[in-house]
Amino acid sequence: QSALTQPASVSGSPGQSITISCSGSTSDIGHYDYVSWYQQHAGKAPKLIIYNVFNRPSGISDRFSASKSGNSASLTISGLQADDEADYYCCSYTTLNTLVFGRGTKVTVL
Amino acid sequence: EVHLVESGGGLIQPGGNLRLSCAASGFSVSGQYMSWVRQVPGKGLESVAVLYSGGGTSYADSVRGRFTISRDDSENTLYLQMNSLRPEDTAVYYCARNKFETLVRGLIFYEDWGQGTLVTVSS
Repeated sequence: QSALTQPASVSGSPGQSITISCSGSTSDIGHYDYVSWYQQHAGKAPKLIIYNVFNRPSGISDRFSASKSGNSASLTISGLQADDEADYYCCSYTTLNTLVFGRGTKVTVL
Repeated sequence: EVHLVESGGGLIQPGGNLRLSCAASGFSVSGQYMSWVRQVPGKGLESVAVLYSGGGTSYADSVRGRFTISRDDSENTLYLQMNSLRPEDTAVYYCARNKFETLVRGLIFYEDWGQGTLVTVSS
């Protein structure tokens, strides 16, 4: 199972909106609505911020939104803040009954 | 509140063995689906082992036959026994609690994560 494809980096200024793409295949993102996203600050553990394509766990800011179309998913961070600077990973359930991650996107707040 | 605390990492020579522990609180590991996920420093995330609530297991090809995931219900702790370690096993190892979806009978995301423990395999 190949890793999902994410851009290596995305940047934006405070207050702006940015979008991170996550490309998969008909065997993962295109097959199920089980895409999740994780935020990882430097030196910290990953943290679930989106599950089942667009749902936010309790306590996650509504500045984080996500969607899916075909074999691709995306995460949008609106009103970018300094604390949003982190690595972001997408993840999808697959037809092999496994979870596959993207390689991660580094978000830089300019 | 759910807490996962890993321990047992350290420096080990190639070919050596190490056991990682993940102490859970706020829930019972016996009724959950649990994973070990590793991250090579500066790199991405890789699932290495899964323990299903009924006791079944699955492993990444890269560790199958060398790593064993297990749990102690009385201690509410998850373990990862790592044998015949290789330099490429060097990583931060996280334990995580999974969400199981009955519709697909599979684990669909990682709900909670521990803080991780670093394993360095080097001579």
